[in-house]
Formats: sequence, C-alpha cells, structure tokens
Amino acid sequence: QEKVQQSPESLIVPEGAMVSLNCSFSDSASQSIWWYQQHPGKGPKALISIFSNGNKKEGRLTVYLNRASLHVSLHIKDSQPSDSAVYLCAVSDNVGDNSKLIWGLGTSLVVNP
Amino acid sequence: GGIITQTPKFLIGQEGQKLTLKCQQNFNHDTMYWYRQDSGKGLRLIYYSITENDLQKGDLSEGYDASREKKSSFSLTVTSAQKNEMAVFLCASSIWGTSAETLYFGSGTRLTVL
Repeated sequence: QEKVQQSPESLIVPEGAMVSLNCSFSDSASQSIWWYQQHPGKGPKALISIFSNGNKKEGRLTVYLNRASLHVSLHIKDSQPSDSAVYLCAVSDNVGDNSKLIWGLGTSLVVNP
Repeated sequence: GGIITQTPKFLIGQEGQKLTLKCQQNFNHDTMYWYRQDSGKGLRLIYYSITENDLQKGDLSEGYDASREKKSSFSLTVTSAQKNEMAVFLCASSIWGTSAETLYFGSGTRLTVL
C-alpha cells in the first residue's frame, strides 16, 4: 500500500521567510497529490493539488512534483503568522476513487511575527 | 459556498457506551466520509457513502456503524466505546468522490472515553 512521509515534523520561521515542506511517497504510479492546511480545532482545508510532473503556482504557494524521485514539495513565499498550522500531504494512486487517499502525519509550521 | 456542520463538538462517554456523531453538509455533494484523526497517525478512513443509503467500509470500520438516510447527512455510531478510541472524528464531503476533487471537512468531534 502507498506510504506517505512528511518532513520536517515541525518548523519555526520568522515572518517573511520562504517555507519548504517535503512529502515522499512510495508508488510512482500515484495519480494525485494534495496539500491540506489544518489550523488547531479545525478540519483540514485544501490548499493546492498537482497531478503532472513539474510545478504549479497559486499565489504565494508553489508545489513541485518529481515522480522519478517520488517526492513532492510545497513552498510558501513571504510566510505570515496566519500560515501557522499543520500541513498535510495526501496521495492517491487511483484518480477515480477518493477513498484511496493516503495521508501523511503532517508538518507543524509556526511563523513568528 | 457551503459548510459542513458536525455535532457535537465534544463528546464524552463511558467505556462500552454506544455513541453517535452527526454530520450535515449543504454543498449538495454526493459523497461523504468519516475519518479518524489520532495524534501520531495520519487520517484514516472509517466509512464513506457515494449516495443516499449507500455505505462503504474504509480501513478502520470495525467497531463503527454508519448511516446515510439523506443526501445531506451522514452519521457515525461508535458501537461500544473503548478508551483507546479517544480521537478527533472528521466528516468530509466531495462532489463525486474522485481523487481529483477537493475534500471539504467539518471542524470535527473530539471524543473522550472515561
């Protein structure tokens, strides 16, 4: 079964820093990769997804997918205190079935003002 | 936009008790999910439903029942609460249930078993 590992476990940065979060997965056939953000006491909220090798940019977020190295990274530019949250990576090897999503344990990010 | 409402927000029960968690969505989505979130473990799927009156087991269904009597609501029953079951239970929905779609989550029900 697909395995998803995230690093680092936690990260503390000053406001305005570039943040880089990593996610490695075990199956090169993985079809869809998602990043979710979860604030304390709230449910996860979808941030960005990627399906093809390469990169995708949305606002301050950029995601890079390298299927050959089984690695995806999320970069947050000009980080803000409101970005402080847990970031979850989710990977599916089956585009047709959301029930097959495998979730990482998350990276806890703190952005200090 | 829509919203997913989970009730109650906090649930305290006794060991062996039967407990029910409720979830309502107004997105008009077909598919709904129940996940369990434990410290140190990724989200794990308990049950999901692709339409009214449909139920599909996830990886963690043992010890749980689910019910989808209306498109907008999905309930989860802990059949006999155990102390190692203390966790946050998250309800989610998506339009059809493909992994190309966004999952929309509620804020969760935190279960404590005494």
